[in-house]
Amino acid sequence: EVQVLESGGGLVQPGGSLRLSCAASGFSLNTYAVSWVRQAPGKGLEWVSTISDGGDSTYYADSVRGRFTISRDNSKNLLYLEMNSLRAGDTAVYYCTNVPHIGVIRGPKHYWGQGTLVTVSS
Amino acid sequence: EIVMTQSPATLSVSPGERATLSCRASQSVSSNLAWYQQKPGQAPRILIYRASNRATGIPARFSGSGSGTEFTLTISSLQSEDFAVYYCQQYENWPETFGQGTKVEIK
Repeated sequence: EVQVLESGGGLVQPGGSLRLSCAASGFSLNTYAVSWVRQAPGKGLEWVSTISDGGDSTYYADSVRGRFTISRDNSKNLLYLEMNSLRAGDTAVYYCTNVPHIGVIRGPKHYWGQGTLVTVSS
Repeated sequence: EIVMTQSPATLSVSPGERATLSCRASQSVSSNLAWYQQKPGQAPRILIYRASNRATGIPARFSGSGSGTEFTLTISSLQSEDFAVYYCQQYENWPETFGQGTKVEIK
């Protein structure tokens, strides 16, 4: 059975930092490009960042560029999102999801975890 | 940035009826469009990719059509488990963008 599990969310003060992690079982996460997509409470979906399968190419939404860093450790089949200078507007459930085609960076999002909630508040 | 606009915002449909959801792109996305279903408290689930291809395990009552800037998701006969929010997403260009969603509710 395929499972994606995000972790690392929590309550953080404005200006603070947090690191999210994403692990997968039932398939090899390191074979695919992987993205973070977030959803603010009661709102729609927003693409945040994508990393290529090899980790050599990264892409960011303008709203997070310069503050967030996506990375991966393919030896451990793990994905990360380092979030700095957090703002109230970053409050959301953060989902980890993969593009289901090898060698493709932009694409439909296939497997999704249940997400991890990040709350930025004083 | 390509803006995705979905209509209507809310669609009231009786079980067994047909539902037609629209998604418009501010510029051509070719066929690089996906549809997702999201139920309360759950993660999104992919339904359609490349505008008209059903994802694995998706029932045949879900179908997608369109290309360029105009796309449609059709649910041929709504079942109780289909009442949810549906999102379209373009992956033609960075940044990938989603529509604001269409809520399909019971009439």
